[in-house]
Amino acid sequence: EADIYQTPRYLVIGTGKKITLECSQTMGHDKMYWYQQDPGMELHLIHYSYGVNSTEKGDLSSESTVSRIRTEHFPLTLESARPSHTSQYLCASRGTGSGRTEAFFGQGTRLTVV
Amino acid sequence: AQKITQTQPGMFVQEKEAVTLDCTYDTSDPSYGLFWYKQPSSGEMIFLIYQGSYDQQNATEGRYSLNFQKARKSANLVISASQLGDSAMYFCAMRGLYNNNDMRFGAGTRLTVKP
Repeated sequence: EADIYQTPRYLVIGTGKKITLECSQTMGHDKMYWYQQDPGMELHLIHYSYGVNSTEKGDLSSESTVSRIRTEHFPLTLESARPSHTSQYLCASRGTGSGRTEAFFGQGTRLTVV
Repeated sequence: AQKITQTQPGMFVQEKEAVTLDCTYDTSDPSYGLFWYKQPSSGEMIFLIYQGSYDQQNATEGRYSLNFQKARKSANLVISASQLGDSAMYFCAMRGLYNNNDMRFGAGTRLTVKP
């Protein structure tokens, strides 16, 4: 079983609020990712990190920001939430190396901005 | 650049029958890995099977097998003896092993298993 955790699982928040979605993994993985997914739709890569102090934007433009101060922790922050941010956010991590290094996913955070 | 295409938004299969979910891809990487994930309605992503581009044999994991045709750039998932619990979204993904090192996903196929 994967050791990657996301909190909260569900969040309903008002427009304009600042929120941080937490993601932690205990596998010592260097690489971590945030994906945004609308229900039943494809996953869009919004942020990734290859290690401590490394963060990059993904394919989908996002108003969120991330930080990677510790290997195990990769939080995502929205400074001012809007209804368009309503979505599911999935965090993933994987080990370094070629071949079968599949990504392990957290259970996701379902965010609703009202 | 990488692109994953899943052309079947939804598929139906009778319980106990086999079903094939299509996936085609495009990449500039000489070596790459192909992955299939299952996402039940609860939302978690479950890794199913992996195929390396240089693997000589098609991957198999229990009831899952991957029909890998490198020249056609296709990596179709075959589920044998479908069960009701197989009803879920299925995502094909790939990752370059040298460049384009991040995993990109297709749009997914929703599989419904009928009793």
